[in-house]
Amino acid sequence: DIQMTQSPSSLSASVGDRVTITCRASQSISSYLNWYQQKPGKAPKLLIYAASSLQSGVPSRFSGSGSGTDFTLTISSLQPEDFATYYCQQSYSQITFGQGTRLEIK
Amino acid sequence: EVQLVESGGGLVQPGRSLRLSCAASGFTFDDYAMHWVRQAPGKGLEWVSGISWNSGSIGYADSVKGRFTISRDNAKNSLYLQMNSLRAEDTALYYCAKAGSSWYTDWGQGTLVTVSS
Repeated sequence: DIQMTQSPSSLSASVGDRVTITCRASQSISSYLNWYQQKPGKAPKLLIYAASSLQSGVPSRFSGSGSGTDFTLTISSLQPEDFATYYCQQSYSQITFGQGTRLEIK
Repeated sequence: EVQLVESGGGLVQPGRSLRLSCAASGFTFDDYAMHWVRQAPGKGLEWVSGISWNSGSIGYADSVKGRFTISRDNAKNSLYLQMNSLRAEDTALYYCAKAGSSWYTDWGQGTLVTVSS
């Protein structure tokens, strides 16, 4: 199985900050990488698919980049509603998720 | 509007069985693959199983292979997960998810399965 490792596991930031979350695959997954946001008590929400494509309706402050084994999710200017847990997911072979990054208010 | 509504969860003893259902609406169900993803309390997301639009391709996580069976009824716009030989480590919120190519565009709210004696 392909292992997905996110860093950091948790992060404290302030409204207006630029934040980057990293996801590393244990082998090359091309661009088969997706990002989700999950708020407490809610289902995950798709943010970015195919490494860098913004899902319809998602604010443009979210962006994704990378290919092969290293990927990033960037939030250009944090808003109060962005404090949540973020997961990467690879779909190159049997689906696996990263362990999550909890983004908290500083 | 896409709606996915899971049901069938509950408290079950180890070794027993449970069948989850997911009722889909708001889209052409038989155009899409469907998956089950679970989340243990306070933990991350774990893919469980997926099924193609015509049931021709099915996959399972190693942790459930041989114990769980995914199926779908396109005439009823429904997805199922038959879970046998349940273990404590199967305790989780089970989501059904609509697969758009190789990502999940829509999720249900989940149904909670608790395996305990």
